[in-house]
Amino acid sequence: GNSVTQMEGPVTLSEEAFLTINCTYTATGYPSLFWYVQYPGEGLQLLLKATKADDKGSNKGFEATYRKETTSFHLEKGSVQVSDSAVYFCALSSGNTGKLIFGQGTTLQVKP
Amino acid sequence: KAGVTQTPRYLIKTRGQQVTLSCSPISGHRSVSWYQQTPGQGLQFLFEYFSETQRNKGNFPGRFSGRQFSNSRSEMNVSTLELGDSALYLCASLIGTGQGRSEQFFGPGTRLTVL
Repeated sequence: GNSVTQMEGPVTLSEEAFLTINCTYTATGYPSLFWYVQYPGEGLQLLLKATKADDKGSNKGFEATYRKETTSFHLEKGSVQVSDSAVYFCALSSGNTGKLIFGQGTTLQVKP
Repeated sequence: KAGVTQTPRYLIKTRGQQVTLSCSPISGHRSVSWYQQTPGQGLQFLFEYFSETQRNKGNFPGRFSGRQFSNSRSEMNVSTLELGDSALYLCASLIGTGQGRSEQFFGPGTRLTVL
């Protein structure tokens, strides 16, 4: 079945450091891929998305490229801020359904 | 545009009781999906409703049910609560058709605690 695997956290970085959170997936067909972010006590916010191979999603300095050959969708940011501290979820949707399959989440802590 | 509204935000129940959670999607969105979030199991899909019909269902027991009204508002119900039902229940709003079907916008969630 379809699944998403994320690197385990927590990830602790200093402000202005480079961020990579790895995400790989297993899916039939051509899924859409998403990154969501969850701040403490809140729901999920869509951070970025990509709907086909080689698409690059970007938002607020975050980027991720849909790599079909490596079945990956790694999240990157060139310079993190304390305000980026949150839990990040990689997710996929296959077959244009209303069902998202999530990775286990990666906690990011950015220290001043 | 108003976001996704979930009520109540917090609930405390005891084992054996039942609970109803409510979700109002973004205006114009016709589909609602529900998810359960726990530390152990992460985020798991419960079900999706579109135009008052259940369109997809996750792997949860029959104690978990839902419905959708003609104004797209949705409710989910959990009967005979168990301690393991303690979770954050998230509702997501979807356009519902075509390519936009998979893009989901989440509400703040309802935190259910079962004692």
